[in-house]
Amino acid sequence: TQLLEQSPQFLSIQEGENLTVYCNSSSVFSSLQWYRQEPGEGPVLLVTVVTGGEVKKLKRLTFQFGDARKDSSLHITAAQPGDTGLYLCATRAGGTSYGKLTFGQGTILTVHP
Amino acid sequence: DAGVIQSPRHEVTEMGQEVTLRCKPISGHNSLFWYRQTMMRGLELLIYFNNNVPIDDSGMPEDRFSAKMPNASFSTLKIQPSEPRDSAVYFCASSLDTGGLKTQYFGPGTRLLVL
Repeated sequence: TQLLEQSPQFLSIQEGENLTVYCNSSSVFSSLQWYRQEPGEGPVLLVTVVTGGEVKKLKRLTFQFGDARKDSSLHITAAQPGDTGLYLCATRAGGTSYGKLTFGQGTILTVHP
Repeated sequence: DAGVIQSPRHEVTEMGQEVTLRCKPISGHNSLFWYRQTMMRGLELLIYFNNNVPIDDSGMPEDRFSAKMPNASFSTLKIQPSEPRDSAVYFCASSLDTGGLKTQYFGPGTRLLVL
């Protein structure tokens, strides 16, 4: 099973600040997903990246997949309180896994008004 | 369209009691996953099914946990007997697996507290 390490574990910032969270592995990802989990809810998919060096934007969120496909980052510009939540990266478990995912431990983001 | 439906949303029980959590996946999805989430251990996969067949139950903590999927639209996770350390949020997720990295759609979770 591929181990995904996320950092930082906790992040507390003021509204309007920028931030970056990271997802790293010692192995090469075939592809990677980012999920956001709001308090009291289940995780929801934000994006899937599949190509080394790929950059995807979702409003104020920018996702980057490392050239070597061993790391990924999520950058949020001008954070808002609505961005508060747990950010999880995930990748497909190896072999015939019928869609089984391996998740990182997550980054808990709190954006203060 | 309805998403993944879980019930109950909250459960408080006493140690030793049987707990049954229920899940209705999204119609047409062929894979179903049960997860447990705690602050200490994060999101852990307990078991998953493909076409109603259990594929990997290596994440099930011990014999007190069991899961069934009698048909494509219903699954249960049972804990018998429950213990305080089972207190956690339990999520059910479903996906349509046709190869590659697919989206998992999570339910709202069941918050279980075992006293």
